[in-house]
Amino acid sequence: GAGVSQSPSNKVTEKGKDVELRCDPISGHTALYWYRQSLGQGLEFLIYFQGNSAPDKSGLPSDRFSAERTGGSVSTLTIQRTQQEDSAVYLCASSLGVGSYEQYFGPGTRLTVT
Amino acid sequence: GENVEQHPSTLSVQEGDSAVIKCTYSDSASNYFPWYKQELGKGPQLIIDIRSNVGEKKDQRIAVTLNKTAKHFSLHITETQPEDSAVYFCAASAAAGNKLTFGGGTRVLVKP
Repeated sequence: GAGVSQSPSNKVTEKGKDVELRCDPISGHTALYWYRQSLGQGLEFLIYFQGNSAPDKSGLPSDRFSAERTGGSVSTLTIQRTQQEDSAVYLCASSLGVGSYEQYFGPGTRLTVT
Repeated sequence: GENVEQHPSTLSVQEGDSAVIKCTYSDSASNYFPWYKQELGKGPQLIIDIRSNVGEKKDQRIAVTLNKTAKHFSLHITETQPEDSAVYFCAASAAAGNKLTFGGGTRVLVKP
């Protein structure tokens, strides 16, 4: 079946602009995660959604970052007033949900802030 | 919080030889340890995982071992092939649905 999809695959933006990154999880998966992969920091957790529960936002690096998940499926990660240090690959993963450990990743969105 | 260390950062092996990557973790509550393979321009792909109630798991040419007492786990790839060349990441999690904490990655190069 279809895996996790993300769009756009690449995004170049100017410093100070807002960007939105989209994630479509695997059908039927109720858990959704965002991670960031950068050269200096490796793979780091950003935010986690499980069903209708309040999201775990403990990994968001600043209040410029936010995410929402509409209808328990698609998620959007928004970065406001982008900075050069926001340049990274943003990865989305999904999991079956409660009681499930395995996380499956999408191809990522490469964000470049100029 | 959890801290995962991974070694080596790069590994070059001859085709047909074995490759071993080692990880240590700090949080004794961690009970799930997946390994991911990431090829250039792609997202991480789950290749094998192990839970704390077993010490070893094998799937064809790859195997993972876990030592909970010492808080370390390893990935073993036997009979390496050029298509095994990639970056491999270990990770740890304390519960189902919990975030993964990743090691720094190992770039594996299999020379034909």
